[in-house]
Amino acid sequence: RKEVEQDPGPFNVPEGATVAFNCTYSNSASQSFFWYRQDCRKEPKLLMSVYSSGNEDGRFTAQLNRASQYISLLIRDSKLSDSATYLCVVLQGGKLIFGQGTELSVKP
Amino acid sequence: DAGVIQSPRHEVTEMGQEVTLRCKPISGHDYLFWYRQTMMRGLELLIYFNNNVPIDDSGMPEDRFSAKMPNASFSTLKIQPSEPRDSAVYFCASCSGTGGPNTIYFGEGSWLTVV
Repeated sequence: RKEVEQDPGPFNVPEGATVAFNCTYSNSASQSFFWYRQDCRKEPKLLMSVYSSGNEDGRFTAQLNRASQYISLLIRDSKLSDSATYLCVVLQGGKLIFGQGTELSVKP
Repeated sequence: DAGVIQSPRHEVTEMGQEVTLRCKPISGHDYLFWYRQTMMRGLELLIYFNNNVPIDDSGMPEDRFSAKMPNASFSTLKIQPSEPRDSAVYFCASCSGTGGPNTIYFGEGSWLTVV
């Protein structure tokens, strides 16, 4: 079983749609959690950290469920510019472990 | 700050040749990471350093791969001899982590093709 698992997608959604990505992690001792965004042929960049109480940044909402070892990212009112790959990242034993990423394509 | 700087950006080399990838982390960052990204395996951690000391190299594929960090502002990842299956994007990343790695900043990557 992979340490961090994501649905690879692609998710094809129209502009304005709400889309949710899920991620599960295998190590219950994982310490911190993040979502990164990676555009085609570019480097990954931090989108947001994920806190136990859940957190929101504009149209983006991240949730963490430690009991289920599950992380989610919700994007509301999606824009064309949201098209990218979204990477779930877990800090585990001092190392950042990346999921394979979920590809999102927002269409006009 | 210029961010994490990697070179070369692109390299095409023949099988058997030595490849050296270079990285300059963000000034003041005490952690440096080398990742490899392929379509099949995603983003994999190869090795990371803390204060120039290699902490975990368990992700290094085999003895053909070696990494060094002679000082706080420079690191190399070397592949000798290179093979076609080494073709990938190699990312260097750095962060400042008093309590350990946290938000990391990536370079733009070195796109390696071994033919």
